[in-house]
Amino acid sequence: RKEVEQDPGPFNVPEGATVAFNCTYSNSASQSFFWYRQDCRKEPKLLMSVYSSGNEDGRFTAQLNRASQYISLLIRDSKLSDSATYLCVVNYGSGGSQGNLIFGKGTKLSVKP
Amino acid sequence: DAGVTQSPTHLIKTRGQQVTLRCSPKSGHDTVSWYQQALGQGPQFIFQYYEEEERQRGNFPDRFSGHQFPNYSSELNVNALLLGDSALYLCASSLVNQPQHFGDGTRLSIL
Repeated sequence: RKEVEQDPGPFNVPEGATVAFNCTYSNSASQSFFWYRQDCRKEPKLLMSVYSSGNEDGRFTAQLNRASQYISLLIRDSKLSDSATYLCVVNYGSGGSQGNLIFGKGTKLSVKP
Repeated sequence: DAGVTQSPTHLIKTRGQQVTLRCSPKSGHDTVSWYQQALGQGPQFIFQYYEEEERQRGNFPDRFSGHQFPNYSSELNVNALLLGDSALYLCASSLVNQPQHFGDGTRLSIL
C-alpha cells in the first residue's frame, strides 16, 4: 500500500463548480500535512498546511481526520486558474521541514469555461 | 527576496556519465532537501542537508550523493547515469518547523 493515496484524476469541472479532493495516508506517525499545487512542468508550490481543526483560505478549505488518516481539500467557485495538479503531502516532523515529505501521485484538475 | 534557485534548467546526458546539479536556498533558509520527480508521479525524497551534513536519506542508491556548503547552497551528484534517472530534480529549502519551498527544478534527460 502506498504511503499517501489520492483520488485518481483527472477532474474536469466547469467554472464556478465546487470540487473536493480526498487523500489517505498509511503511517499514523505522520505529524504535518499539506496540499501543494503543481502547474504543468513547474515546481510544486505550497497551497496550504492542514490542521486538525480544519482551516480555510479564501475559496480553499482543508480538513484532517487523524483517526481515519484522511485529508481533504475543497475548492469552491472554481476558477480557470485553479487548473493544476494537487498533491497531498505528509511529513513525520512538525512543520514539514524535516526531510522526507511524502507525496501522493497528485490529482489533476481541469476547470473549463 | 530570491526564492530557491536551481541550475541548470535543463540537462542532457548519456548513460554512464556523471552530473552535478546546484541549488541556492531561499534567503534565510538553512536546510536543503532534494527530490526526484518522474513523469506522472509525485516527487520522491532523495536526501536532506543541514549544517553541511546529510541528515536524512530516502531510498536511493549510493550513486546519488550530495553536499552542502557553508553558505547553505547545495549540490546533488549522480554517478553512472541510467536511463531511469531521467526526471525533474527538485530542490527545496526550509527553516526548522517551517514548510519546504521548491525551486523550479532541473529537467535531466538521459539518452
